[in-house]
Amino acid sequence: DAGVTQSPTHLIKTRGQQVTLRCSPKSGHDTVSWYQQALGQGPQFIFQYYEEEERQRGNFPDRFSGHQFPNYSSELNVNALLLGDSALYLCASSFGRGQETQYFGPGTRLLVL
Amino acid sequence: RKEVEQDPGPFNVPEGATVAFNCTYSNSASQSFFWYRQDCRKEPKLLMSVYSSGNEDGRFTAQLNRASQYISLLIRDSKLSDSATYLCVVNMPDSWGKLQFGAGTQVVVTP
Repeated sequence: DAGVTQSPTHLIKTRGQQVTLRCSPKSGHDTVSWYQQALGQGPQFIFQYYEEEERQRGNFPDRFSGHQFPNYSSELNVNALLLGDSALYLCASSFGRGQETQYFGPGTRLLVL
Repeated sequence: RKEVEQDPGPFNVPEGATVAFNCTYSNSASQSFFWYRQDCRKEPKLLMSVYSSGNEDGRFTAQLNRASQYISLLIRDSKLSDSATYLCVVNMPDSWGKLQFGAGTQVVVTP
């Protein structure tokens, strides 16, 4: 039973560029949440996708957008990258939108130069 | 004020000793509580959920104090492999699934 997978594992971009990160949820899960974790901080909620729609959003600008596909996999897109976007981006999957445990993927480490 | 606050540590613990630390949360409506463990440069992994009556899982004991709005984690008989950052996590009913994380408490178990 595959867990949550994310790609790529590492990425280096320059300011102003755009990036797309990908996530495949754990088998049987239908909800994907994205988090940003800066160095020395806890993960910060970006948004959550369920039934192919964004259901909740954290305090992130519109430069951060996403998508969920019919197979429940998800993408996170970040436009006009800033140096401050450098972080570990974590995807978490769960069943349903509520209290079920969220399982995290290994993350994508993004460095913006 | 942050929604979830933790002592960053590090807590330096001799192998075999007991260590305990707390986490405070600001929203009294919070309903679900968890401890996640995160190893260096890895993803968070669920350690245990925290129930109102308190719960134990092997050497780990979690307690919830709703009146004072804090949760605690106690680790007995510390192992070298317990060295990690422990993240306190809160889930609220008006935003189910939007987990609120603390910044983490670092624990270092020494031989």
